[in-house]
Amino acid sequence: DIQMTQSPSSLSASVGDRVIITCRASQSISSYLNWYQQKPGKAPKLLIYAASSLHSGVPSRFSGSGSGTDFTLTISGLQPEDFATYHCQQSYSAPQTFGQGTKVEIK
Amino acid sequence: EVELVESGGGLVQPGGSLRLSCAASGFTFSNSDMNWVRQAPGKGLQWISYISSSNSINYYADSVKGRFTISRDNAKNSLYLQMNSLRDEDTAVYYCAKDLEVGGFEYWGQGTLVTVSS
Repeated sequence: DIQMTQSPSSLSASVGDRVIITCRASQSISSYLNWYQQKPGKAPKLLIYAASSLHSGVPSRFSGSGSGTDFTLTISGLQPEDFATYHCQQSYSAPQTFGQGTKVEIK
Repeated sequence: EVELVESGGGLVQPGGSLRLSCAASGFTFSNSDMNWVRQAPGKGLQWISYISSSNSINYYADSVKGRFTISRDNAKNSLYLQMNSLRDEDTAVYYCAKDLEVGGFEYWGQGTLVTVSS
């Protein structure tokens, strides 16, 4: 199985900050990388698919980049509603696997 | 509006069985590949099963292979997960999720909690 490792596991940030979360795959996954946002007690929501494509309705302050094994999710100008846990997922090969999550907390 | 609504979760003893359902609306279910994903309390997400739109292909995570069976009824816009020989480690919130053809899970249900405990 392909292992997905996110860093950091958690971070504290302020409204307006630029936040960068990284995700590393244990082998090349081309651009088959997706990002989700999850709030407590809620289902995940798709933010970014295919490494850099913004899902419908997702604010443009979210962006994704990378290919191969290294990927980033950037939030440009953190908003109060962005405090949540973020998960990466590879859809290159079965079983599709997720990172352990990155919790973004209020500083 | 796309809606996925899971049901069927609950408390079950180790070795027992449960059948989860997922009712879909707001999109053409019969054209959509579907998945089940679970999340143990305080843990990350784990994909556990996939089924193609035509019901002809399915995949399972090793942790549930031989114990869980995914199925669907396109006439009823419904997805199912039959879970047998349940173990403590199967305790989790179970989500159904619609595939996005180019990758990722486009829409998710609200989840249903399965607790395996004696």
